[in-house]
Amino acid sequence: QVQLQESGPGLVKSSQTLSLTCTVSGASISSGGYFWNWIRQHPGKGLEWIGYIFYTGSTNYNPSLKSRLTMPVDTSKNQFSLKLTSVTAADTAVYYCARGSWTQLWSIDFWGQGTLVTVSS
Amino acid sequence: EIVLTQSPGTLSLSPGERAALSCRASQSITNSYLAWYQQKPGQAPRLLIYGASSRATDIPDRFSGSGSGTDFTLTISRLEPEDFAVYFCQQYGGSLTFGGGTKVEIK
Repeated sequence: QVQLQESGPGLVKSSQTLSLTCTVSGASISSGGYFWNWIRQHPGKGLEWIGYIFYTGSTNYNPSLKSRLTMPVDTSKNQFSLKLTSVTAADTAVYYCARGSWTQLWSIDFWGQGTLVTVSS
Repeated sequence: EIVLTQSPGTLSLSPGERAALSCRASQSITNSYLAWYQQKPGQAPRLLIYGASSRATDIPDRFSGSGSGTDFTLTISRLEPEDFAVYFCQQYGGSLTFGGGTKVEIK
């Protein structure tokens, strides 16, 4: 069974960098056919796609976040990460890492449990 | 960017009733790259439907998806108590976007 687990600080100060890591088990990030996503959900709101990365390191980012975003991958550890710079209160959200599948027509088939990140002033 | 608009915002129904949820796109979605998810409080979303009409693994057949182009529908044929939740649609058209969600609540 594929499992994803987010880890990182739950509290980040305004203007600093939010850093999260997703550890994948039950599947290899290096397998073809999948893309690895970060998605967030503001409290009580809908879902916002942040970006995805392929095992090759190729990325696709949400244009509204692109200037503040990097998503490195470490295939040796079967992990991928999120780094979001210059955070504000608007970045307070539950952050999910998730696997996307080309074979299931660009849908998201496995999700982490999510981690709440609060940006404080 | 393709914008997805879901309606209604809230659907109040009783167990056993049929639910029809709408997802409308601001432009045509290529190759039916449209998926539906269910989310319960405190949980991550769960994939229900991909490719507009294909059920994901272990999803009961009371869930069905239909539509093409800009208009898509998720139908729950007979609501079970565990189906009361929030439902999101999602598209891929170079990037991913989600609809705002429809809450299915007990009447």
